[in-house]
Amino acid sequence: DAMVIQNPRYQVTQFGKPVTLSCSQTLNHNVMYWYQQKSSQAPKLLFHYYDKDFNNEADTPDNFQSRRPNTSFCFLDIRSPGLGDAAMYLCATSRVAVSGGNEQFFGPGTRLTVL
Amino acid sequence: SQQGEEDPQALSIQEGENATMNCSYKTSINNLQWYRQNSGRGLVHLILIRSNEREKHSGRLRVTLDTSKKSSSLLITASRAADTASYFCATDAGGFKTIFGAGTRLFVKA
Repeated sequence: DAMVIQNPRYQVTQFGKPVTLSCSQTLNHNVMYWYQQKSSQAPKLLFHYYDKDFNNEADTPDNFQSRRPNTSFCFLDIRSPGLGDAAMYLCATSRVAVSGGNEQFFGPGTRLTVL
Repeated sequence: SQQGEEDPQALSIQEGENATMNCSYKTSINNLQWYRQNSGRGLVHLILIRSNEREKHSGRLRVTLDTSKKSSSLLITASRAADTASYFCATDAGGFKTIFGAGTRLFVKA
């Protein structure tokens, strides 16, 4: 089945220790997104890629970076995690719909704990 | 600021009852979507309604959209315990950006 896969599902890191979260998709979608979701809050868009074009949200901290080496994979790098970065990180994909309306397909998320 | 605001924040009902969740937004939209999220999981797309549509159905789901009031509602009929989840409305914010509301947490008691 076509899907969005995130690894690992749970990640524990230490304060200030770099961490990388990964996302892969078999949907062949052009657009990939990274969201941060804290407990009982809405998912907050960090950035997205349209093919190789990177789009960073204005309020995304510089501490967060992303890489998309090919259509299938996208990585979220947190250079120096702080306690406030503990959250669920969701990867999503969508295709470019001629009629508009970008239905997004989400992975199961990676829950990041910062000690 | 958030585009979508949802109401109520939490809803507890008995199995078999209907559940209604509301979403209000601030700026003009091309479409509005509803997503569901089970605890600790990713979101699942439920339904998309375009700005020129007023109502849409999918199984036990009914979505309405009132662009004059900048609001939408999601009705789940004959709810089941398995419907227990958080439900989010999401509006397009230009390009590929989607803004999610804070969500309604629905608990369906068996």
